[in-house]
Amino acid sequence: GQNIDQPTEMTATEGAIVQINCTYQTSGFNGLFWYQQHAGEAPTFLSYNVLDGLEEKGRFSSFLSRSKGYSYLLLKELQMKDSASYLCAVSPFSGGYNKLIFGAGTRLAVHP
Amino acid sequence: DTEVTQTPKHLVMGMTNKKSLKCEQHMGHRAMYWYKQKAKKPPELMFVYSYEKLSINESVPSRFSPECPNSSLLNLHLHALQPEDSALYLCASSPQGTGRNTGELFFGEGSRLTVL
Repeated sequence: GQNIDQPTEMTATEGAIVQINCTYQTSGFNGLFWYQQHAGEAPTFLSYNVLDGLEEKGRFSSFLSRSKGYSYLLLKELQMKDSASYLCAVSPFSGGYNKLIFGAGTRLAVHP
Repeated sequence: DTEVTQTPKHLVMGMTNKKSLKCEQHMGHRAMYWYKQKAKKPPELMFVYSYEKLSINESVPSRFSPECPNSSLLNLHLHALQPEDSALYLCASSPQGTGRNTGELFFGEGSRLTVL
C-alpha cells in the first residue's frame, strides 16, 4: 500500500524556524516533493529530493533519508505569508509521467 | 511561458447539465493530469495523459470523461454529476525524460465546481 504521514497542523511565530516532518511507505520511490498551497489556490512547487541529504533553496530546505522513509521541510525566518498548507508527495516510480501521491498536508499558521 | 491555464475558474451546474473544464499549457510538457481536491484534503489523482494517450484512470466514474485533443490541451467533460462531485479540479503538466526536475508538476489555478 501507499502511506504518507505528516502532522495536520502546526503554529509558529514570525521570524522563527519551523520543521515539517513527513514519513512515507510506498511501493516504489522516485523522489519526494514538497508543495505549498494557500487556501483556494493551486499547489506551487517548493522542492524535490531523490538522493539522501539536504537541499537548500533560500529560506526553504528539504531533507531526505530514503532508508528511514523520512523527509522534512525546514522554513527559516518565517513570514506571515508562509501561512499555508504544505503537501508532502512521493513519486512511486519512474516513467514518462509522474503519479504523485500526496500526504494530507500540514496547515501552518504563522503568528506575529 | 510557465503557466498552466484553466477555464472556467468557477462553474455551477445542475445534475442534468453537461459542461467541460479546459486546461492549456505551452511548456512542451507531454504529460498532463487531472486532480480533484476537496476542502482541507490533498489532491487526488483522477487521470494521467502521456503523449496524448490515457495512461492512468484512477477508477473515476464515467460521468467524468477526459479528452486530450493535442499535446497542449486537456479537457474534462462533465455529465450527470452529483453534489458530492463539488470540488476544486486541478490540471497539471510535467516534462518527460530523466533528470533532477523529472516529474515536477506544474499546477493550474483550478476550476471550482459546484453541483446543485
